[in-house]
Amino acid sequence: KAGVTQTPRYLIKTRGQQVTLSCSPISGHRSVSWYQQTPGQGLQFLFEYFSETQRNKGNFPGRFSGRQFSNSRSEMNVSTLELGDSALYLCASSLEGGNYGYTFGSGTRLTVV
Amino acid sequence: QKEVEQDPGPLSVPEGAIVSLNCTYSNSAFQYFMWYRQYSRKGPELLMYTYSSGNKEDGRFTAQVDKSSKYISLFIRDSQPSDSATYLCAMTRGSYIPTFGRGTSLIVHP
Repeated sequence: KAGVTQTPRYLIKTRGQQVTLSCSPISGHRSVSWYQQTPGQGLQFLFEYFSETQRNKGNFPGRFSGRQFSNSRSEMNVSTLELGDSALYLCASSLEGGNYGYTFGSGTRLTVV
Repeated sequence: QKEVEQDPGPLSVPEGAIVSLNCTYSNSAFQYFMWYRQYSRKGPELLMYTYSSGNKEDGRFTAQVDKSSKYISLFIRDSQPSDSATYLCAMTRGSYIPTFGRGTSLIVHP
């Protein structure tokens, strides 16, 4: 079966711009979580969507937002980009949540210049 | 103190060695434990998950959980150069959202 698809794979943006990242989870999976991964901080949880509702939220500023559509596809948006937002953004798909493990996408590498 | 501690390495071993990767944690409420492998430029891949204490084996991999010591381990037998990657532990309290370790970089040299 198809894996988790994230687009785009690479992105270069300028400070102050906004960006939208997309994730298509595994068919049938209702939970989509987003993580930011940096060498300094490791994997940090952004938010989780389950059946179109935000079920959990991490400790990130309001510039980071997301949504989930009725077909479970999810998008995350970062507004007013800062240099520190440069990171690998990972989408994780699961049936019910992360207790039994996720299937991750390959990520979107965002560079803010 | 972070909730989940994991030595970043790198851990360098010769091919064929038994590898031991470890994490310690501070919150006794963690119930579900997972190990992920992440290759460069890829997302993490789930290797194993276990619930509560005990051992679980899958091929060359064995996951071990000791809740009394708040310590989990992943053993890799007959390590191969293709096992070279970063290994992340993760654990949840049943809240659906795992807490991840920072990852240990493993290098298996021929």
